[in-house]
Amino acid sequence: GDSVTQMEGPVTLSEEAFLTINCTYTATGYPSLFWYVQYPGEGLQLLLKATKADDKGSNKGFEATYRKETTSFHLEKGSVQVSDSAVYFCALSLYNFNKFYFGSGTKLNVKP
Amino acid sequence: DTAVSQTPKYLVTQMGNDKSIKCEQNLGHDTMYWYKQDSKKFLKIMFSYNNKELIINETVPNRFSPKSPDKAHLNLHINSLELGDSAVYFCASSRSQKEGTEAFFGQGTRLTVV
Repeated sequence: GDSVTQMEGPVTLSEEAFLTINCTYTATGYPSLFWYVQYPGEGLQLLLKATKADDKGSNKGFEATYRKETTSFHLEKGSVQVSDSAVYFCALSLYNFNKFYFGSGTKLNVKP
Repeated sequence: DTAVSQTPKYLVTQMGNDKSIKCEQNLGHDTMYWYKQDSKKFLKIMFSYNNKELIINETVPNRFSPKSPDKAHLNLHINSLELGDSAVYFCASSRSQKEGTEAFFGQGTRLTVV
C-alpha cells in the first residue's frame, strides 16, 4: 500500500550544522510530496512541497527534491538554528484520494 | 483570521463520558479530515469528508461519529470515552484532491481521559 518512511529521531545538532532528514515513499500512482513542521503545542504547518519528479521544494532555507528513481524526498538545510527545533513530517497525497499519508515524524533538537 | 479552528484546545474527561470536538474552516475548502496523533507523534487518519459526504472511515470504532453540517464544519462526537482515546485530535482541510494541494491543520485538541 501507499506509505511514507522517515528516519527515526531524535536528531540533535549544534546551531549552524547541516541537516538531513531522510524520507522515502511507496505509492501506487504519482504522488505529491510534502514536508510539514510541528512546533510544540501547535498544529502542522506546511514547510514545502513538490508535485512531480525532479521538482525542488524550498522554504525558509529548507529544501527537498522529488526523486522518483529512488522514491525519496529528503529534507535538507545548510545551517540550522535553535528556532528550527520541532518535529518534521514527510507526507504524500495521491490525486483524488482524499487522504494524506504521513511518516512517523522526526524530532529535531538544535542546541546553541 | 484563523484558517482552521477547532475547539476546545484541551479536554479532560472521565471514562465513559461523551464529548464533542468542533472544527470550522474559512478557506472555502470542500474536503475536511480528522487525524489522531498518539503520544509518539504518529498521525493516523480517522475520517475524510468531501462536500459533506463521508469518503474515508479508517476502521474507527463506532463510538466515534463525525458530522458535517456544511462544507465549512466537521465535528467529532465520541461516546463512552476510554483511556486509549487519549491523544491529540487534529482537524484539517484541503481543496478537492488536485495535484499538489496541501492540507491545512487546526491547532489540535488534546483529549485526556482519566
